[in-house]
Amino acid sequence: QVQLQESGPGLLKPSETLSLTCTVSGGSISSDYWSWIRQSPEKGLEWIGYIYYSGYTSYNPSLKTPVTISLDTSKNQFSLQLSSVTAADTAVYYCARHGRRRRVAGINWFDSWGQGTLVTVSS
Amino acid sequence: DIQMTQSPSSLSASVGDRVTISCQASQDIINYLNWYQQKPGKAPNLLIYDASNLETGVPSRFSGSGSGTDFTFTISSLQPEDIATYYCQQYDNLPLTFGGGTKVEIK
Repeated sequence: QVQLQESGPGLLKPSETLSLTCTVSGGSISSDYWSWIRQSPEKGLEWIGYIYYSGYTSYNPSLKTPVTISLDTSKNQFSLQLSSVTAADTAVYYCARHGRRRRVAGINWFDSWGQGTLVTVSS
Repeated sequence: DIQMTQSPSSLSASVGDRVTISCQASQDIINYLNWYQQKPGKAPNLLIYDASNLETGVPSRFSGSGSGTDFTFTISSLQPEDIATYYCQQYDNLPLTFGGGTKVEIK
């Protein structure tokens, strides 16, 4: 059973860079699609972007903050960076794995999630 | 972006009641629709994928139906442990988008 765990600073000032890491255990990151999702009372659940084990990424164009998702296969981790954060980026951030249909990875549902980490942006 | 509209936003029902939640997509998403349950302080948990397929380990009182733009999620007999917020999510088009959620409470 794969498990995901987010880590990173919980408090940032406006204009700083948000950096979070998702550590995957019980399975290899060198397969499947991996996403970041955030949740706030204002916007609900919001998909941020995904990365494939090949390194291919896709991001939500609705996000006003520049986003970068990367992965480190040697550490079985993938990471999220949001540049120049504002108070609007305050949310619980989740990392998640996409499911497989008939053993084929794809951008579909999220079948495993991290527990989530609260990031607050405040001066 | 595809907008996902859930209704109602909240409901109160008695243990044993049949509970139905609707999710409407702003355009045809075929059956690329998933349902999640989220309990307070926890991450969402996948219940239904591809509109009607029950995720492994999920109780059979949960079910989903629909295609195109209109989808339904049903709890056939509400149990106390089903108190949670339920979300739909589409994956027909990027960006992936979620409904606003339906909070289910016990009457």
